[in-house]
Amino acid sequence: EPEVTQTPSHQVTQMGQEVILRCVPISNHLYFYWYRQILGQKVEFLVSFYNNEISEKSEIFDDQFSVERPDGSNFTLKIRSTKLEDSAMYFCASSGLGGRYNEQFFGPGTRLTVL
Amino acid sequence: ELKVEQNPLFLSMQEGKNYTIYCNYSTTSDRLYWYRQDPGKSLESLFVLLSNGAVKQEGRLMASLDTKARLSTLHITAAVHDLSATYFCAVDRAGGGADGLTFGKGTHLIIQP
Repeated sequence: EPEVTQTPSHQVTQMGQEVILRCVPISNHLYFYWYRQILGQKVEFLVSFYNNEISEKSEIFDDQFSVERPDGSNFTLKIRSTKLEDSAMYFCASSGLGGRYNEQFFGPGTRLTVL
Repeated sequence: ELKVEQNPLFLSMQEGKNYTIYCNYSTTSDRLYWYRQDPGKSLESLFVLLSNGAVKQEGRLMASLDTKARLSTLHITAAVHDLSATYFCAVDRAGGGADGLTFGKGTHLIIQP
């Protein structure tokens, strides 16, 4: 069964460093998303991406964040200058049809630890 | 701002019992999603509810949606230990194509033998 994959599974970085989190969405899906979950808390939407551009972003997704689809399979989230409060689990998701049927399938997540 | 509230946030129950988790939301969305998350794992899609009165069942879990009341329920019948997990409901944020989901805080469910 097709699934969303993410790398790395765990990333440790120093405050102020740049990190890139990588995702490979399900191959025939058109819509891609990033979410984060701070330990023990709810899942928060960051950004959605469709047709090579950002479709929607939340107030969390400020200028420190960017997304890119550098080729036909990868979808990346870059954090330019990490802060302690960026420590969280980051989930990539994808959906096929959008519109009324927006079932999103989530990857296993990347645990980001900022020291 | 869209709000999604779940209750209870924590539930400990015995095997064989029935219980219901409630999800209230503040927008007029008619699309609601239920996900399951095991500790340290990702989110697994359980149900997609797309219209008022929608009811879906899978095994011991049944989900329903009342868009007029802005309420969804997840009912557990004759609970078994394997259903122990955190359950999230989520609502489309904007009602368009590539919508981000707004999640509730989750219901941490423990089922004891």
